[in-house]
Amino acid sequence: DIVMTQSPDSLAVSLGERATINCKSSQTLLWSSNNKNYLAWYQHKPGQPPKLFISWASTRESGVPDRFSGSGSGTDFTLTINSLQAEDVAIYYCQQYYNSPYTFGQGTKLEIK
Amino acid sequence: EVQLVQSGAEVKRPGESLKISCKTSGYSFTNYWIGWVRQKPGKGLEWMGIIYPGDSDIRYSSTFEGQVTISADKSISTAYLQWSSLKASDTAIYYCAKVAVLNKGGWFDAWGQGTLVTVSS
Repeated sequence: DIVMTQSPDSLAVSLGERATINCKSSQTLLWSSNNKNYLAWYQHKPGQPPKLFISWASTRESGVPDRFSGSGSGTDFTLTINSLQAEDVAIYYCQQYYNSPYTFGQGTKLEIK
Repeated sequence: EVQLVQSGAEVKRPGESLKISCKTSGYSFTNYWIGWVRQKPGKGLEWMGIIYPGDSDIRYSSTFEGQVTISADKSISTAYLQWSSLKASDTAIYYCAKVAVLNKGGWFDAWGQGTLVTVSS
C-alpha cells in the first residue's frame, strides 16, 4: 500500500498569513502516460463530512477560494493557504488515488494563532 | 444535485451484526464507484473500500478485508456496509462517498453525512 505522510500534524497560523501543509507519498503518484499526479486534498470540519478541495494535485474544485492552491509532483506535494481566514480552521487530508487502496494522509490540524 | 443520505446512528453490543446504508440520488449510480471511509474518535480518515455497482466489483483495503462487507443494490441506488460481529474497536463515524470519475476509481467528490456506530457492552 502507498503510505501518505503529512507534515506538520498541527499548525497554528495568524489570520491573514500563509499556511503550508506538506504531503509525502511512499511512491510516485505521477502517471507517466498522462503526466498527472494522482493526489487530492480535502478539508474536514467537525460535525461535517470531508469536502473535496483539490484533485490532480493542483486543480481546485468549483467554489473553493483561490487562496487555496496545490502544488508538487511525484512524491512531494503541498497545500498552500494564502491569507488565512477564520473559516479555514479545519483538518486537511491528502489522498492518493494512484493505486488501490486509495490511502489518506494522517491529517493536519490547522488553527488560528 | 448529487446526494448521499446515510442511515442513522446505531448503538450495538459486541458480537452483534449491523448493516448501514447510503441512499444516493442525482447521478447514475451504476456508473460510478462508491466507497466507505472510517473515522475513529479523535483520529483521521481511513479508506475502507469501494464498490462499482454496475458489476459489483469491490476493492477493499487489507485492513478491512474480511472485517466488513461492502455491497450495493442497483435497483434502489443504495450502498451498504455491514458487519457480522461487531467489536468495540468498530466504534467510529462511517462515511460513504462517491468517486468523482466515471467508471474509474479515484478521489471522492460527494460525501454522505456520516453514520455514527457505537459498540459498547
